[in-house]
Amino acid sequence: DAGVTQSPTHLIKTRGQHVTLRCSPISGHKSVSWYQQVLGQGPQFIFQYYEKEERGRGNFPDRFSARQFPNYSSELNVNALLLGDSALYLCASSPRGTRDTDTQYFGPGTRLTVL
Amino acid sequence: AQSVTQLGSHVSVSEGALVLLRCNYSSSVPPYLFWYVQYPNQGLQLLLKYTSAATLVKGINGFEAEFKKSETSFHLTKPSAHMSDAAEYFCAVRVEGYQKVTFGTGTKLQVIP
Repeated sequence: DAGVTQSPTHLIKTRGQHVTLRCSPISGHKSVSWYQQVLGQGPQFIFQYYEKEERGRGNFPDRFSARQFPNYSSELNVNALLLGDSALYLCASSPRGTRDTDTQYFGPGTRLTVL
Repeated sequence: AQSVTQLGSHVSVSEGALVLLRCNYSSSVPPYLFWYVQYPNQGLQLLLKYTSAATLVKGINGFEAEFKKSETSFHLTKPSAHMSDAAEYFCAVRVEGYQKVTFGTGTKLQVIP
């Protein structure tokens, strides 16, 4: 079975640009979470979506937004990119997302570099 | 608010020696605790999780962790290190009713042959 997939693998943007990152969860999983991992730090929670609704949001500015589609895939959008947005963006899926004991399965991440 | 503290950003052990990675948590309610491993340029893989059942949790690749409420700790151990264990390890906490998972800053494990 395919795991969580993310695209693209790497991308380079310049300050002020917009970026869209994509995530496909494991088949049958209905919840997707997004994390930002800056080099040398642990992942920071950005959003969780379940059944196409936002169920949790971390301490990120409004430049960050996301959505979940009927097939449970998800997009993370970041506007007006800053140098500090350079990071590995991780997507994780879980079966339900409403059960705290659910395991989150992570994708390989998208490495974003902002110049 | 929930948080985890990982003591030691870098740990070196000899191949075959005991691995001990430390994690202390802070939570006002009973937590769910996790250990993840991350290999270079890869995502996170779950090693084990504590969900208020047995306090001694066994995970993959010979790792285990013990939940100690009195010490607010969830240290990760492995009796004998293998070269393939070299990676970065993250402790994480989640509390009931909240979707947010909070990660520690990570501990890089080096295994010396």
